[in-house]
Amino acid sequence: NAGVTQTPKFQVLKTGQSMTLQCAQDMNHEYMSWYRQDPGMGLRLIHYSVGAGITDQGEVPNGYNVSRSTTEDFPLRLLSAAPSQTSVYFCASSSSRDRGGSPLHFGNGTRLTVT
Amino acid sequence: RKEVEQDPGPFNVPEGATVAFNCTYSNSASQSFFWYRQDCRKEPKLLMSVYSSGNEDGRFTAQLNRASQYISLLIRDSKLSDSATYLCVVNRFSAGKSTFGDGTTLTVKP
Repeated sequence: NAGVTQTPKFQVLKTGQSMTLQCAQDMNHEYMSWYRQDPGMGLRLIHYSVGAGITDQGEVPNGYNVSRSTTEDFPLRLLSAAPSQTSVYFCASSSSRDRGGSPLHFGNGTRLTVT
Repeated sequence: RKEVEQDPGPFNVPEGATVAFNCTYSNSASQSFFWYRQDCRKEPKLLMSVYSSGNEDGRFTAQLNRASQYISLLIRDSKLSDSATYLCVVNRFSAGKSTFGDGTTLTVKP
């Protein structure tokens, strides 16, 4: 099993550019989520999904879009990159089978710099 | 007030010391609790789940107090390799999401 796979690992964008961060999991997990982590801070939830076709906003959703057309994939789109979006992005998945008791499985992260 | 709050740290301790971290959560509907470890801004990795009866894994002991809404992590006989940031995580099943504390940084020195 590959677990949670994120691509790319590193990305540099110019202000105003758009891009999609990819996230895929092969564990048949219902829950998937995107977090960002800024220096010296914890992980903040951007968007999350409880199943295919269902997404919702987290704590810091502005400037990002998501979709969940399949159980496996949960891409994060930056619509018009801004320097404030320079961060490390983590995708995570978990199973709903334990009624919220399942831990998160993380991808390796994407380090994004917006100039 | 943040939904999950941790000791701000940093904690600098000598090898062999015992160190304890606390974490409080504000939503009484929270259902499951975890401690994660994060090294140098790599992806967080599960350290241990936290159960109401308390649980132990080697040198690590986790406790949950639902009445007071706090979680603790005790590390005994600290090793240099324990140096990391420890993240408290709270899940709400109905919300399908996890909330992280900001983390507590531990440095174990020779």
